Amino acid sequence: QKEVEQDPGPLSVPEGAIVSLNCTYSNSAFQYFMWYRQYSRKGPELLMYTYSSGNKEDGRFTAQVDKSSKYISLFIRDSQPSDSATYLCAANDYKLSFGAGTTVTVRA
Amino acid sequence: EADIYQTPRYLVIGTGKKITLECSQTMGHDKMYWYQQDPGMELHLIHYSYGVNSTEKGDLSSESTVSRIRTEHFPLTLESARPSHTSQYLCASSGVKTVSGYTFGSGTRLTVV
Repeated sequence: QKEVEQDPGPLSVPEGAIVSLNCTYSNSAFQYFMWYRQYSRKGPELLMYTYSSGNKEDGRFTAQVDKSSKYISLFIRDSQPSDSATYLCAANDYKLSFGAGTTVTVRA
Repeated sequence: EADIYQTPRYLVIGTGKKITLECSQTMGHDKMYWYQQDPGMELHLIHYSYGVNSTEKGDLSSESTVSRIRTEHFPLTLESARPSHTSQYLCASSGVKTVSGYTFGSGTRLTVV
């Protein structure tokens, strides 16, 4: 079983919609949770990270972690075509474990 | 500007050739990683290093080898390239605390013909 599971999608939404991305994880030792964004033919870039349970907001992006259910979420409000990318969740103990990535397309 | 650099960006090479993919970072990070990623697929960790003269194999078995003679440099070598090695190779680094996240290079897209 993979330590971080993520639905690969793809996910297609109209411009302005809320994008909801989710992951589950199995390792109770994970403390830090991250979201990466990867554009086509580029390396992933760190979008947000959270520590333990709770919410973190950065502009149009909100990351949530629920350690009781081992659930990680990312919400993108007022989505834009420039948000079209693959989004990877990740969690760490001594090294990062990545989800498979969800490909998101925001239609203009 | 502190960053992580990978060269070449694209490489097309014949079967049986020896190749070295370069990765250098200017952030002073101790930890460095190599990932393999096929188009539209997930990242697979193939090698990592926690410091000079320290290298470990990752979760995905790979015929490639790595070396870490200098903190900033983490090259990956394939002694004899095969078409099955065709993939994108991503290098990353992180600081003392993994919470700061990994910084990825732009990747090398390797095609073996």
